[in-house]
Amino acid sequence: GAGVSQSPRYKVAKRGQDVALRCDPISGHVSLFWYQQALGQGPEFLTYFQNEAQLDKSGLPSDRFFAERPEGSVSTLKIQRTQQEDSAVYLCASSLPTSGGAGELFFGEGSRLTVL
Amino acid sequence: DAKTTQPNSMESNEEEPVHLPCNHSTISGTDYIHWYRQLPSQGPEYVIHGLTSNVNNRMASLAIAEDRKSSTLILHRATLRDAAVYYCILRTPTGANSKLTFGKGITLSVRP
Repeated sequence: GAGVSQSPRYKVAKRGQDVALRCDPISGHVSLFWYQQALGQGPEFLTYFQNEAQLDKSGLPSDRFFAERPEGSVSTLKIQRTQQEDSAVYLCASSLPTSGGAGELFFGEGSRLTVL
Repeated sequence: DAKTTQPNSMESNEEEPVHLPCNHSTISGTDYIHWYRQLPSQGPEYVIHGLTSNVNNRMASLAIAEDRKSSTLILHRATLRDAAVYYCILRTPTGANSKLTFGKGITLSVRP
């Protein structure tokens, strides 16, 4: 389909393992966002890219979290030395750049990470 | 970002209209009011947004108070598929793009 695609949909990791989550945005969307959603909570902002530039990483909870988008398209969220509190759904969204706060974000279905 | 306040939950009957309220008393003059919804096991989905005037689209209507301190999302005829968490979000323009800051939202249940 033409939507935002995320993989894997489900990931189980042992505490201490590294994980990588992939996001394929809608073609032509220069803006890309990562969110973390804990059970029963709303999504929490992690980081934002415009093309390959990471313009806002204020939401990354620790230096174990790292995101990249080297060619301005596909993005990877990497979590090193996973902890149980990292268990959550990780959502990716993309959009066209729209000035002024209008415009729509398109979300993927998310990657559910469970850390044992 | 300015904050929004929504009830935790609401119930409605199928095929009846639903009015979902949102308070945003600290809204600034340039903030857009956005609504997204999230169905179970899916990512959030855009519903509607507005600035000052009421807005209609194929999914819903957005009624914005004259002082902009509150708004109401209106689903004209609820279906079982409308059962979801609905988020009212203020989006502050900051250059080319700006993030959405989600709260807990309101959980809408639809009775058959």
